[in-house]
Amino acid sequence: ETGVTQTPRHLVMGMTNKKSLKCEQHLGHNAMYWYKQSAKKPLELMFVYSLEERVENNSVPSRFSPECPNSSHLFLHLHTLQPEDSALYLCASSQAYQGRGEKLFFGSGTQLSVL
Amino acid sequence: SQQGEEDPQALSIQEGENATMNCSYKTSINNLQWYRQNSGRGLVHLILIRSNEREKHSGRLRVTLDTSKKSSSLLITASRAADTASYFCATDDNEGYSTLTFGKGTMLLVSP
Repeated sequence: ETGVTQTPRHLVMGMTNKKSLKCEQHLGHNAMYWYKQSAKKPLELMFVYSLEERVENNSVPSRFSPECPNSSHLFLHLHTLQPEDSALYLCASSQAYQGRGEKLFFGSGTQLSVL
Repeated sequence: SQQGEEDPQALSIQEGENATMNCSYKTSINNLQWYRQNSGRGLVHLILIRSNEREKHSGRLRVTLDTSKKSSSLLITASRAADTASYFCATDDNEGYSTLTFGKGTMLLVSP
């Protein structure tokens, strides 16, 4: 266990559905991240939150909407997704944002399939 | 931010053999990290090497860093079937603060 829990582990949704991914970290970290992992592509950083403030948003389509209600919880709200959004969505946390030598602790991911 | 690029893309070896994976990057870095990912799971941090270090060990893992060649290697000695996974390098570049960026990874298969 890495101390970062993601739910659900698997999600199948239609293009018109609205769903949310949840991430919780039990490490007392101050930064949380959403990454997207598609086959044969590098991990893509989507969003970064530091002390509950969004500090990075890497040109992610508006159909992905993050929320960080407190430093332990992170959500990714999904609506009107496209089939190409099917991927493994990984949440991660670190002690601090922008620290030199910060290592990331990842959850097990949510495998998302959009039909 | 920049991406590390791992080589080879895939590696297949027998148990007991050593596995070497390489990572190249383009700009100067503060540190380089290696992560491991079992199929369909999250990444797990293995080792971090700073730009002023040349070699680092952790159990059966040995990481080297050559900043003049902008490359790093991860050596797994006496591999086991349980080492089967994808291995990623991640770089923390030297231009102010930045988040880690990852390469595409090397898929390692260790056969019994």
